[in-house]
Amino acid sequence: EAGVAQSPRYKIIEKRQSVAFWCNPISGHATLYWYQQILGQGPKLLIQFQNNGVVDDSQLPKDRFSAERLKGVDSTLKIQPAKLEDSAVYLCASSSRQGRHNEQFFGPGTRLTVL
Amino acid sequence: EDKVVQSPLSLVVHEGDTVTLNCSYEVTNFRSLLWYKQEKKAPTFLFMLTSSGIEKKSGRLSSILDKKELSSILNITATQTGDSAIYLCAVGGAGANSKLTFGKGITLSVRP
Repeated sequence: EAGVAQSPRYKIIEKRQSVAFWCNPISGHATLYWYQQILGQGPKLLIQFQNNGVVDDSQLPKDRFSAERLKGVDSTLKIQPAKLEDSAVYLCASSSRQGRHNEQFFGPGTRLTVL
Repeated sequence: EDKVVQSPLSLVVHEGDTVTLNCSYEVTNFRSLLWYKQEKKAPTFLFMLTSSGIEKKSGRLSSILDKKELSSILNITATQTGDSAIYLCAVGGAGANSKLTFGKGITLSVRP
């Protein structure tokens, strides 16, 4: 079974620039999550999708972050404009509604550096 | 707001030692507690503990959930250098769409 795919793996941008990350979850997984992990911290949930609907985006800074999952499969997360404090690893995870509840499978992440 | 606290924040041991990692939590309508191992980037799943499964074991790793004390421990016996990683604890509440709340993680370094 293929795992969660993410791209790019690394991205360096200057503040005020825009950036987008892509995630393809495990086939058949209805739930998709985007996390932000700042160095020395645990992952923090930014947004959760169930199919193509948003379940929880309470911790998403909506003035600069946006995410979509138009066809209920892959997803993109965008930051516009980026700030220095957005430097972090952005992790995508997916889980199966039919599988063990709450067990999430993570992708390799994208390390974002904002200069 | 759900809360997860892990201790210690970091730990250095020698190969062959046994370590115990701690996780305490406050969560509305507890459903599950998960342990992940994070090397480099992606967390990889270790165990999930629930009310119906409070003890899990896999090789040298084992974990116990204490619902009365709202805590869990992860034990690693006969540690190896390959166990060096960040160990994350996460808790999930009830509901099909409930989110996981993660602790900051425990950095374990195993010296040869």
